[in-house]
Amino acid sequence: KNQVEQSPQSLIILEGKNCTLQCNYTVSPFSNLRWYKQDTGRGPVSLTIMTFSENTKSNGRYTATLDADTKQSSLHITASQLSDSASYICVVSEGTYKYIFGTGTRLKVLA
Amino acid sequence: GAVVSQHPSRVICKSGTSVKIECRSLDFQATTMFWYRQFPKKSLMLMATSNEGSKATYEQGVEKDKFLINHASLTLSTLTVTSAHPEDSSFYICSASKPGLGSSGELFFGEGSRLTVL
Repeated sequence: KNQVEQSPQSLIILEGKNCTLQCNYTVSPFSNLRWYKQDTGRGPVSLTIMTFSENTKSNGRYTATLDADTKQSSLHITASQLSDSASYICVVSEGTYKYIFGTGTRLKVLA
Repeated sequence: GAVVSQHPSRVICKSGTSVKIECRSLDFQATTMFWYRQFPKKSLMLMATSNEGSKATYEQGVEKDKFLINHASLTLSTLTVTSAHPEDSSFYICSASKPGLGSSGELFFGEGSRLTVL
């Protein structure tokens, strides 16, 4: 069964600290993997999109990694800010227009 | 970047009435759009896949007659919650797939619609 699991389920960190969110998947065939940020009461916004051949991709303070062999991805947030408080969702694409959503990680950044 | 517009952002209605939510892709043609429902502190739950010019594909457990989906053009999909009841109160989000990036395209989300049924 195609699944996307994220950990931790929730995370609280202090402003300025770094953190890493994990995404493990068992989706096949694999097309690409995306990380989204969803603020409360808003729609998800894309952070990164990674294809099979990409290992690392950065978007400002966000850096995503992908290990297609172990089927793991991580999202690293550097120098966290209060505005980083949100849910982060990992989405893996299985072929044509088929997306498997992770359960998300709720991040809270405290001052 | 591509923009997906969702309207209305908030709607309050009486029990028994029907509510229509629109999802528009503003700068690209989307042959495929998706509708999700999201409960508090939970991830998005796919309700149905909307294909332009054909019937929507509903996920297991989603009532077709309850949640009517119409994808009449390449830029517009609508979700109508018929005879709404308080248990239908939720956050509904749409997404549109922009062709490119291999076989799955890029996925852009609307801002969501908060439905409250009194």
